[in-house]
Amino acid sequence: DAKTTQPNSMESNEEEPVHLPCNHSTISGTDYIHWYRQLPSQGPEYVIHGLTSNVNNRMASLAIAEDRKSSTLILHRATLRDAAVYYCILRAAYLDLKTSYDKVIFGPGTSLSVIP
Amino acid sequence: EAGVAQSPRYKIIEKRQSVAFWCNPISGHATLYWYQQILGQGPKLLIQFQNNGVVDDSQLPKDRFSAERLKGVDSTLKIQPAKLEDSAVYLCASSRRGYEKLFFGSGTQLSVL
Repeated sequence: DAKTTQPNSMESNEEEPVHLPCNHSTISGTDYIHWYRQLPSQGPEYVIHGLTSNVNNRMASLAIAEDRKSSTLILHRATLRDAAVYYCILRAAYLDLKTSYDKVIFGPGTSLSVIP
Repeated sequence: EAGVAQSPRYKIIEKRQSVAFWCNPISGHATLYWYQQILGQGPKLLIQFQNNGVVDDSQLPKDRFSAERLKGVDSTLKIQPAKLEDSAVYLCASSRRGYEKLFFGSGTQLSVL
């Protein structure tokens, strides 16, 4: 299984941007980069994913390095509700799958604290 | 759209007792996952179903854990007998297909005393 490494914890002030890094030096050419987050006492929820180009949605932005060995999840204005554990995960592209599924493996993630 | 439903929300048992968790995935989702999350760690995949069939159970302690998915819809995860180290949150997730994003339930928090 492809691996990712993330800092154990980060802090941010409320209403400031947050940049959550993820290293994935062994990424294969067609692996997608996915981000999930887990709020306290809840199951993880999908945030965003991308392949090569930067991606934006209503929750966050994903910036992917040109060599794809790292990526950054960007929360443009952190709120108290963004305090959560953020997981960076690599997933195989559908067309690469010998079967029609892949395993979704979570690491320990980054625990984000937001300071009022 | 209704989310992934899990029950019970909490369960306290003594070691060596048995326990069962239930999961109802989002309608139409072919893939169902059970994860175990120990406090302070990321979720650990226990078993993955594609419709009725098991596609991965490499991390499932098969001497005490079992799981089934009835008619490709609901699923139950059972532990018999429970050990102290089984204390964790058990999360169920589903996805429309095996390579699409996962939707998680709120989990069942198990305490084994």
